[in-house]
Amino acid sequence: EIVLTQSPGTLSLSPGERATLSCRASQTVTSTYLAWYQQKPGQAPRLLIYDISTRATGIPDRFSGSGSATDFTLTISRLEPEDFAVYYCQQYGTSPLTFGGGTKVEIK
Amino acid sequence: EVQLVESGGGLVQPGRSLRLSCAASGFRFENYVMHWVRQAPGKGLEWVSIISATGGYLSYADSVKGRFTISRDNAKNSLYLQMDSLRPDDTAFYYCARPHSGGWGPFQYWGQGALVTVSS
Repeated sequence: EIVLTQSPGTLSLSPGERATLSCRASQTVTSTYLAWYQQKPGQAPRLLIYDISTRATGIPDRFSGSGSATDFTLTISRLEPEDFAVYYCQQYGTSPLTFGGGTKVEIK
Repeated sequence: EVQLVESGGGLVQPGRSLRLSCAASGFRFENYVMHWVRQAPGKGLEWVSIISATGGYLSYADSVKGRFTISRDNAKNSLYLQMDSLRPDDTAFYYCARPHSGGWGPFQYWGQGALVTVSS
């Protein structure tokens, strides 16, 4: 099983600041099969990024993904008030599919 | 518009069974792999199971293997999760999810979730 470790657990930032979230895999992720999701309280997760760096439909360009092999990053260039949420990475290339433990981005 | 609507959640005693359903609409259901994902209250996401478009391939997380059974009825545009021998640590919101395209993932569409509470 590929274990995904996200860091930090919580990120305290102000609107307008840059957020950098990390996702590290215990082994190489198959192909480019790494995604990022955003989840707000009481809602289902929302797909932000897939194939490491492709933005999903309707996702603003302040969200970007990068990385390869075992190290991946989600960057939010300038935080908007609606971006404060929990973010999960996921690998979908190897069964069992796995998620990271999440990073909470909170208002400082 | 793609819609996924779960039903069948509720309170159940340990050791008992429950069956979740997911009604799909707005896309050709028979063309897509489907998944179940769960989330314990206040915790992270856990993938539970996958079923291929035809139902010929099934896979489960180790935590539910041998107790849960995924199935689908393409004529009814419906996905199911039969949960047997339920345990308190199965308490969670259960989401059905559809991939972005024809592969296993990522999960573009999610239902609203069905809460399953396992408690005596």
